[in-house]
Amino acid sequence: EDQVTQSPEALRLQEGESSSLNCSYTVSGLRGLFWYRQDPGKGPEFLFTLYSAGEEKEKERLKATLTKKESFLHITAPKPEDSATYLCAVLRYNFNKFYFGSGTKLNVKP
Amino acid sequence: DVKVTQSSRYLVKRTGEKVFLECVQDMDHENMFWYRQDPGLGLRLIYFSYDVKMKEKGDIPEGYSVSREKKERFSLILESASTNQTSMYLCASSSSGTGGSATNEKLFFGSGTQLSVL
Repeated sequence: EDQVTQSPEALRLQEGESSSLNCSYTVSGLRGLFWYRQDPGKGPEFLFTLYSAGEEKEKERLKATLTKKESFLHITAPKPEDSATYLCAVLRYNFNKFYFGSGTKLNVKP
Repeated sequence: DVKVTQSSRYLVKRTGEKVFLECVQDMDHENMFWYRQDPGLGLRLIYFSYDVKMKEKGDIPEGYSVSREKKERFSLILESASTNQTSMYLCASSSSGTGGSATNEKLFFGSGTQLSVL
């Protein structure tokens, strides 16, 4: 059964304290893995697409990596404005469906 | 930039009412989706459509129907609203992609409709 699991459910960091969020997946024929950021009361906003093991993408303090079984979202020296819920989703070949994890709620304290 | 617009930000309805949630996208995307989001459960797919007048059930279609008469508009209908349909509803759209890459297939989301059924 296709499954996407994110951990931890919630993460509290001090400003400047680097950490990583995990997204593990069991999907047949991965077409792409997507990371989104969601602020309270808003729709998710696209961050990255990764579609082959070993690939890395960076944007400001965020770096996403992909292996055959999981993806990490590394946050380097986070700031309070990085506080949000981070979602990952996978897309299979021959399917139009995205499978979402339940998200990691990140809180960065000043 | 792609814009996905949901007609209402907040809605309060009574049990048994028929509820319409409207979504419009302005980037000529083929695919449109309706999700609901509940704490601890993540995003769950209700219905999606990959072309005008086409629709496919997602993971939780019971109690819902959809309509796609025009490419840019995708409507979600709650035939008889119940309290367990209180949720955040998110509409999204995507292109079908070209060149065999998933890069163009990312979802663009609307701001969501917080529906409360009393």
